Amino acid sequence: AQKVTQAQTEISVVEKEDVTLDCVYETRDTTYYLFWYKQPPSGELVFLIRRNSFDEQNEISGRYSWNFQKSTSSFNFTITASQVVDSAVYFCALVEEGGSEKLVFGKGTKLTVNP
Amino acid sequence: EADIYQTPRYLVIGTGKKITLECSQTMGHDKMYWYQQDPGMELHLIHYSYGVNSTEKGDLSSESTVSRIRTEHFPLTLESARPSHTSQYLCASSRPGPLSGYTFGSGTRLTVV
Repeated sequence: AQKVTQAQTEISVVEKEDVTLDCVYETRDTTYYLFWYKQPPSGELVFLIRRNSFDEQNEISGRYSWNFQKSTSSFNFTITASQVVDSAVYFCALVEEGGSEKLVFGKGTKLTVNP
Repeated sequence: EADIYQTPRYLVIGTGKKITLECSQTMGHDKMYWYQQDPGMELHLIHYSYGVNSTEKGDLSSESTVSRIRTEHFPLTLESARPSHTSQYLCASSRPGPLSGYTFGSGTRLTVV
């Protein structure tokens, strides 16, 4: 069965620091998709990125970057030069192709960026 | 602009009351989902639907029920609310295929007193 582990429950940094959020996943499928979502205090889930299992290219979007490594089953998320507005809970998630296509979430990492 | 709508946004209700949380989407998505989020953040799938007249229980057992009479509407009902039902409930929808991603509503924060 699929599983997502976010070992860091809470992280606190000072503004402008870089921070990496870890995500390790388990799946028996060869085709799967990984996601990161942001949940600000308002409660909605905001989609950040989707990556399929055949695309190991790292991606950068502004201050955000993602490092996907199949060899270690990891999909880590780095925020460069963090800002107070980055404070939120971040979820990593996995869905396997075929079957029920249910999105399974990690437990989330609460990031607090202090001014 | 949200394409998936949840109402109410906040609800405080007494024990034993019947409640229905509304979820509607305007994207024509066949698949819809309900997630329950603990106060401790963890998200659990409690119900999902592949289309009209299709409903399935999720990974976490829930006393709630759902219905899917119309494609755009996926309400969740609690016949008798209890304090243990206090949680945030998030509705989502998707097109067929995981690559399309999931769109989430803003959630309903339910408090049962």
